[in-house]
Amino acid sequence: GAGVSQSPSNKVTEKGKDVELRCDPISGHTALYWYRQRLGQGLEFLIYFQGNSAPDKSGLPSDRFSAERTGESVSTLTIQRTQQEDSAVYLCASSSRQGAKGYTFGSGTRLTVV
Amino acid sequence: AQSVTQLGSHVSVSEGALVLLRCNYSSSVPPYLFWYVQYPNQGLQLLLKYTSAATLVKGINGFEAEFKKSETSFHLTKPSAHMSDAAEYFCAVSDLNAGNMLTFGGGTRLMVKP
Repeated sequence: GAGVSQSPSNKVTEKGKDVELRCDPISGHTALYWYRQRLGQGLEFLIYFQGNSAPDKSGLPSDRFSAERTGESVSTLTIQRTQQEDSAVYLCASSSRQGAKGYTFGSGTRLTVV
Repeated sequence: AQSVTQLGSHVSVSEGALVLLRCNYSSSVPPYLFWYVQYPNQGLQLLLKYTSAATLVKGINGFEAEFKKSETSFHLTKPSAHMSDAAEYFCAVSDLNAGNMLTFGGGTRLMVKP
C-alpha cells in the first residue's frame, strides 16, 4: 500500500486478556520495526524484522510480548495477559534495506488496559 | 553503538520567534541523521534527513537542520514559529551496521505561544 497501515487504531482491553496488533508495511519494504510510546515519553524499541533473517527481539520487555512476520508482509505484535503498564501507543514502521531513507511510520495503535 | 541526546524535553517560543531544537549524537561511523515530527494523536512524520550530502538540510514546513561534525550536532531550526508547529520532535541517528536501525532521542515538545 501507499503507507504503513496499523489496526486497530484504538484498543481497550481488560487486564489479563491477550491482544493482537497488526501492521501492514509499505510494499517492498524489507525492514519492519515495532516501537512503544508511553504517554508523554519517547520511543522504546521493541523488535526489528529484516527480510527472512532472525528478528532482533532485544527490546521486548517481557516474555508476554511476541511478534511475528511472514516474509516481507504483515506483522502481528501479541501481548499476552495484558497489564496496565502495557497501556501505550504501539507504533510500527517500515523501511527499505537500500540506502538510508529513514522509516515510514504508521499512525499507531493506542492500547488501553483497564 | 549510536546514541542521541535532545537537550530540553520542552521548548516554548512565541509565534514568529526563532525555533531551535537541539540534537547531539554519538556514532562510531559517519552517521545518517533524521528529524521526525509527531502531531497529537498521530504517528511520526519525517521532517528532514542528512545522508552525507550537503550539511545544511532543508525539510518540510520551513524547517532546516545543519550537520556539524566537529560538534556532533544536528540542531533543528525554523526562522519564524507558527502555531501549527506545536508538536513533539524527535531526532534520530541511523546505524548502518544494523540494517539502518534508527536510534531515537527522547523527544522535545515544542509549544508556541500566541
